[in-house]
Amino acid sequence: GAGVSQTPSNKVTEKGKYVELRCDPISGHTALYWYRQSLGQGPEFLIYFQGTGAADDSGLPNDRFFAVRPEGSVSTLKIQRTERGDSAVYLCASSSTANTEAFFGQGTRLTVV
Amino acid sequence: AQKVTQAQTEISVVEKEDVTLDCVYETRDTTYYLFWYKQPPSGELVFLIRRNSFDEQNEISGRYSWNFQKSTSSFNFTITASQVVDSAVYFCALRGMGNSGGSNYKLTFGKGTLLTVNP
Repeated sequence: GAGVSQTPSNKVTEKGKYVELRCDPISGHTALYWYRQSLGQGPEFLIYFQGTGAADDSGLPNDRFFAVRPEGSVSTLKIQRTERGDSAVYLCASSSTANTEAFFGQGTRLTVV
Repeated sequence: AQKVTQAQTEISVVEKEDVTLDCVYETRDTTYYLFWYKQPPSGELVFLIRRNSFDEQNEISGRYSWNFQKSTSSFNFTITASQVVDSAVYFCALRGMGNSGGSNYKLTFGKGTLLTVNP
């Protein structure tokens, strides 16, 4: 596609539920990143994929968070047993390689009630 | 560790005024990239500029200009003759090149500056 696409744009879920957030990167981009942006803060790194593998998942806050990119294109961020503190905007970005500009999607606003 | 500080939380100006957004950074990497992104209310981060640490030449693009000063670890952004459409949150970000042991792909963002341009 023309840009990074994220779905859904908004997600409201109840505490304790499981959610999946999807990211469709720019076609041909091998590097994919997930960031989380809390209210009034800058985005914070969660995980980086190079191709199909997670090259760096050091930013994932705990083991309730997991992400996959099975075919090296679309990625899914999965959150188990959601907590109110998980409420944030989850941003996905992609770049042609790790050293080039990252282009961001519009994000998924997750609200845990 | 890397750090980006944007001391101005909010700035409000009247249309046609010039405005400068400040950015100060810290890194142990000897080579690195600095970025500015714009985040309008729609939420998408829009890339504005990338500058590598070797190049201290100031850059101008239309009404936008950037002042990189390695001696003070600053990378300030000026909008000349501001317009209402410039209203957004602006983020400064840093990406090290990994020569102090860190990654060469992870962006470290400041907390952003909310710019409001009033008509």
